Amino acid sequence: DTEVTQTPKHLVMGMTNKKSLKCEQHMGHRAMYWYKQKAKKPPELMFVYSYEKLSINESVPSRFSPECPNSSLLNLHLHALQPEDSALYLCASSQDSRKETQYFGPGTRLLVL
Amino acid sequence: GENVEQHPSTLSVQEGDSAVIKCTYSDSASNYFPWYKQELGKGPQLIIDIRSNVGEKKDQRIAVTLNKTAKHFSLHITETQPEDSAVYFCAASKQGSGNEKLTFGTGTRLTIIP
Repeated sequence: DTEVTQTPKHLVMGMTNKKSLKCEQHMGHRAMYWYKQKAKKPPELMFVYSYEKLSINESVPSRFSPECPNSSLLNLHLHALQPEDSALYLCASSQDSRKETQYFGPGTRLLVL
Repeated sequence: GENVEQHPSTLSVQEGDSAVIKCTYSDSASNYFPWYKQELGKGPQLIIDIRSNVGEKKDQRIAVTLNKTAKHFSLHITETQPEDSAVYFCAASKQGSGNEKLTFGTGTRLTIIP
């Protein structure tokens, strides 16, 4: 089973709202990733967690705050977003951040009004 | 850093014909090359990958070839079917180096004409 699940599927939020995106995998993977994808573009890496510790932050604005409560869960907390943050947010996982394939979830489509 | 170029950006193929998508990479230390298929409204799905110690890999109608000297790799889909219509992304990374970031190509929108 190579399933990564993400909730919610769709999210509409105002610029003053606080919301969270959730990602879950039960494959025993120890690396988890957040990507942002704009229309007709490839995914852009935002954050990497390896063994529940943040290992890569691709200079993402602080209005995006990742959290890894345990090895199966990854959250992305959103606060004071801008309309240009509207995108598809993808979660991925891999067995280990040093190797192995990344498996993507279906994404959360976010619209910021 | 790594740079991956992907061509063509759009490709229309008659059902049953073959489709080829090509990517070139810049960093000779890259050693892992996955291909992802992304259907409308879904996340990218891994369809095949190849490591630098192999020149070719096949999985049913899908094959990937790698030319390390020229730093390019290609996706070949034979006997195309309507369900092959999607956006395809190539990617490259340096696995085992401590910098396993996937660098994606810009994507190819493949349309299979029935």
